[in-house]
Amino acid sequence: EDQVTQSPEALRLQEGESSSLNCSYTVSGLRGLFWYRQDPGKGPEFLFTLYSAGEEKEKERLKATLTKKESFLHITAPKPEDSATYLCAVQAGGSGTYKYIFGTGTRLKVLA
Amino acid sequence: NAGVTQTPKFRILKIGQSMTLQCTQDMNHNYMYWYRQDPGMGLKLIYYSVGAGITDKGEVPNGYNVSRSTTEDFPLRLELAAPSQTSVYFCASRRGGTTDTQYFGPGTRLTVL
Repeated sequence: EDQVTQSPEALRLQEGESSSLNCSYTVSGLRGLFWYRQDPGKGPEFLFTLYSAGEEKEKERLKATLTKKESFLHITAPKPEDSATYLCAVQAGGSGTYKYIFGTGTRLKVLA
Repeated sequence: NAGVTQTPKFRILKIGQSMTLQCTQDMNHNYMYWYRQDPGMGLKLIYYSVGAGITDKGEVPNGYNVSRSTTEDFPLRLELAAPSQTSVYFCASRRGGTTDTQYFGPGTRLTVL
């Protein structure tokens, strides 16, 4: 069964304290792995797409990496405005229609 | 370009009532999706559509219906609302390449009492 697991469930960091969020997955035929940011009361906002093992992408203080079994979202010197829930999703399956499997997210709180 | 819009933002229903959640996208995307998000449970797929006139069930379709008469609109119908349908509902769309990004609406928070 296709599955996505995110850890930790919640993370509290001091401003400037770097850390990583994990997304492990079990899917048949990974087509893409997606990271989203979700602020309270809002819809998920797209951050990154990773397609193959070894790929890395960066945006400001965020860097996403991908292996054959997991993805990491590295946060370098976070600021309070980085506080949000970070969601991971995978797109898997054969040709035709594609579905997305979401993890339950990591709630990040960055303290000033 | 408004992206994906959803109405209403909030709604309270009584058990047994019905309602339609509206979703519209102006990006000419082929694929559209309805998810529900419960606390600590992640996003669960209710229904999806690959184009006008074509819809299919996701993981949790019971108690819901959809239609897709135009590319832009993908309404979700709740018949005979139940407390178990209390949730936040998100609509999403994507263009439809081999692998591409879903874009989400702001959500509808529904409470069934």
